[in-house]
Amino acid sequence: EIVLTQSPGTLSLSPGERATLSCRASQSVSRSYLAWYQQKPGQAPRLLIYGASSRATGIPDRFSGSGSGTDFTLTISRLEPEDFAVYYCQQYGSSLFTFGPGTKVDIK
Amino acid sequence: QVQLQESGPGLAKPSQTLSLTCTVSGGSISSGGYYWSWIRQHPGKGLEWIGYIYYSGSTYYNPSLKSRVTISVDTSKNQFSLKLSSVTAADTAVYYCARVGDSYDHFDFWGQGTLVTVSS
Repeated sequence: EIVLTQSPGTLSLSPGERATLSCRASQSVSRSYLAWYQQKPGQAPRLLIYGASSRATGIPDRFSGSGSGTDFTLTISRLEPEDFAVYYCQQYGSSLFTFGPGTKVDIK
Repeated sequence: QVQLQESGPGLAKPSQTLSLTCTVSGGSISSGGYYWSWIRQHPGKGLEWIGYIYYSGSTYYNPSLKSRVTISVDTSKNQFSLKLSSVTAADTAVYYCARVGDSYDHFDFWGQGTLVTVSS
């Protein structure tokens, strides 16, 4: 089973700043089957990025994903007030889905 | 737009079976092309994938839960269901149903989630 580690655990930033979130896998993620989700309190996760770098339908272009192999990054170019939330990475491999522990982006 | 809605008891007793149903609207399970999944989130914690099912009934489960999980589908009702047996307090969680996206590697539509508490 591939284990995902996310860093930092918490990222304290101000609106307008750039956020860089990291997701590292214990083994190479096949075919870049890596996705990112945003979750706000009391809500279900929302798909942001799939295939490591493809934005989901309706996701603003300030969200971008990159990486391959074992190292992946979610970048939010300029934080909007609605972007303060918890972000999870998720991988698929060997018929298994696993999630990272999450990074909380909060207001500085 | 596809929508999913979980339903079922919010309380389960220890050692009993937790049962939930997900009703899909805006798309037909029987049209194929997608897998349908259950995911849970323990209070204040991260996400855990439980398993998925295809319209044909083929399933795949998380090995950590496999011995206690059954996922089934009812295409006539456009629903799929989760049964988790021998529950303990450790199974208290918000349970989500979700659609696996068309590249089979991510979850593109989610239900709102339902909290199930295991307590006597």
